[in-house]
Amino acid sequence: DTEVTQTPKHLVMGMTNKKSLKCEQHMGHRAMYWYKQKAKKPPELMFVYSYEKLSINESVPSRFSPECPNSSLLNLHLHALQPEDSALYLCASSQARDYGYTFGSGTRLTVV
Amino acid sequence: ELKVEQNPLFLSMQEGKNYTIYCNYSTTSDRLYWYRQDPGKSLESLFVLLSNGAVKQEGRLMASLDTKARLSTLHITAAVHDLSATYFCAVPPTGNQFYFGTGTSLTVIP
Repeated sequence: DTEVTQTPKHLVMGMTNKKSLKCEQHMGHRAMYWYKQKAKKPPELMFVYSYEKLSINESVPSRFSPECPNSSLLNLHLHALQPEDSALYLCASSQARDYGYTFGSGTRLTVV
Repeated sequence: ELKVEQNPLFLSMQEGKNYTIYCNYSTTSDRLYWYRQDPGKSLESLFVLLSNGAVKQEGRLMASLDTKARLSTLHITAAVHDLSATYFCAVPPTGNQFYFGTGTSLTVIP
């Protein structure tokens, strides 16, 4: 298995909803990442979970919270989002620096 | 503040022509990565450049890295329509946290 699987592929949620994005990989990678990408912009790093340690981009608002139940799963919990949070959310994993990232197919999130 | 800048941001070129995309970064990094993104899709890995002077080629694309100049190039030879996409370079200044360039949107015109 050489894939990173993200679910759902599309999500529409209201500003008072709570939802979760899921990311799973079975390649034995020890680091997983969440990126946010707005249209026509580069991906921006949100969270890194590497060797059981979580690193947070301090500019990410608290309405986003990551969770790593085990080394193969990385969830992103969403609560009270704003319309400006609408974007493509990308999950990636890596084994080591030399190999770069493997990206999932992304979740297209729309906040209404 | 780390900056990863690509030039040009937008590129429209005719089929069969050659062109180079540049990626400049502002901090020390011994490696660099290139990705391709089709509209509405995720990112696909193109090249992994792991040392100064590294050169990689795949089909009509060739990437190189000069860590002393903090510069990478992505050269396109005899462009075809299928190469139309957005291309990103990415730099991991520390650990394995990638910072992506501004992106180059390439359109190849028949």
